[in-house]
Amino acid sequence: SQQGEEDPQALSIQEGENATMNCSYKTSINNLQWYRQNSGRGLVHLILIRSNEREKHSGRLRVTLDTSKKSSSLLITASRAADTASYFCATGQGTYGGSQGNLIFGKGTKLSVKP
Amino acid sequence: DAGITQSPRHKVTETGTPVTLRCHQTENHRYMYWYRQDPGHGLRLIHYSYGVKDTDKGEVSDGYSVSRSKTEDFLLTLESATSSQTSVYFCAISADWDSSNQPQHFGDGTRLSIL
Repeated sequence: SQQGEEDPQALSIQEGENATMNCSYKTSINNLQWYRQNSGRGLVHLILIRSNEREKHSGRLRVTLDTSKKSSSLLITASRAADTASYFCATGQGTYGGSQGNLIFGKGTKLSVKP
Repeated sequence: DAGITQSPRHKVTETGTPVTLRCHQTENHRYMYWYRQDPGHGLRLIHYSYGVKDTDKGEVSDGYSVSRSKTEDFLLTLESATSSQTSVYFCAISADWDSSNQPQHFGDGTRLSIL
């Protein structure tokens, strides 16, 4: 069953603008991860934020996590045409052994950055 | 990039035929996963492996079987392919079951069409 739900489903912006994508989930988590998928390629891990963290940065990426609202956001600053891709959140419950250790992926946000 | 090779990359076959997809890794990671990706459903887990000859079912395992006789190879078999199994299949690996500490690394997928 799907855990994370990304919003919006699609986003179109101009180069240089910021892009914000949101992810909501239903059950308690141990961590939340964001992945990028370019057309025709596999998913690439971007960033992982643990449940006891509120914000994390990696280059032009900023991720926030609000466990009280069961939501996360991914901000890409000063976007580039090369950022055009689909972005997925994935939640991990972090339990050793059993299916609880698996990641559950959302359906993704399709980002288009126009030059 | 993590050393993950999926083969074949594209396959077209007929309903009722058996199909085997191969995932080969050079990272010596213990955990391997098979996902399918479909429009409107995101990424869904089919089967996973936590060691040689150790496998378990995921969310959408009906109609699929897997085998892992060596650390580096994880095979996904459709015993009698159906049109509903037309999809893009991704293999992923991780070093640690606890996804709190390790992201998953993905291959570039196999596009399977069943006519």
